[in-house]
Amino acid sequence: NAGVTQTPKFRILKIGQSMTLQCTQDMNHNYMYWYRQDPGMGLKLIYYSVGAGITDKGEVPNGYNVSRSTTEDFPLRLELAAPSQTSVYFCASSSQGGGNEQFFGPGTRLTVL
Amino acid sequence: DQQVKQNSPSLSVQEGRISILNCDYTNSMFDYFLWYKKYPAEGPTFLISISSIKDKNEDGRFTVFLNKSAKHLSLHIVPSQPGDSAVYFCAASVYSGGGADGLTFGKGTHLIIQP
Repeated sequence: NAGVTQTPKFRILKIGQSMTLQCTQDMNHNYMYWYRQDPGMGLKLIYYSVGAGITDKGEVPNGYNVSRSTTEDFPLRLELAAPSQTSVYFCASSSQGGGNEQFFGPGTRLTVL
Repeated sequence: DQQVKQNSPSLSVQEGRISILNCDYTNSMFDYFLWYKKYPAEGPTFLISISSIKDKNEDGRFTVFLNKSAKHLSLHIVPSQPGDSAVYFCAASVYSGGGADGLTFGKGTHLIIQP
């Protein structure tokens, strides 16, 4: 099992550009999450999904969109990149909700200039 | 307003000694707590968890203690080893809600094990 995989590992965007961060898990987990980690800070929840076709906002959803068309994939879309979105993005999945152990991907380091 | 606080940004401990990492929370709805370990350029990995119905959970060298009245938990690592050098995140959730609201994380403590 590869677990949770994320692509790309690194990306530099110009202000106003858009991109999609990819996340795939092969553990057949229903629950998937996107977090961001700013320097010196903890992870903050952007969006989450409890199953295919169902998504909901987390603590910091502004500027992002998600979709969940399959159990395996949970892409995160940035439509108009801003410097405030410079961060490391982590995707995670879990078999149950309620804060059950989450498995994290290696992260995508995004810089917006 | 931070709901999960790790007030020590870093901690240095000698190899073989005990490492104690602390975490405080403010949200009394939290009923499930987890510790994650993170190496540079990697995602966090789960270490140990505790439910609010317990006050202690042990797994090998790692023990987590929960003091609900003080809204405080701590992670003990005994004995500390060089491979334990990493950033440790405390996280909390409302498990009994059954929802998928994700985890609320502290800022992390960078543990450095000195040889």
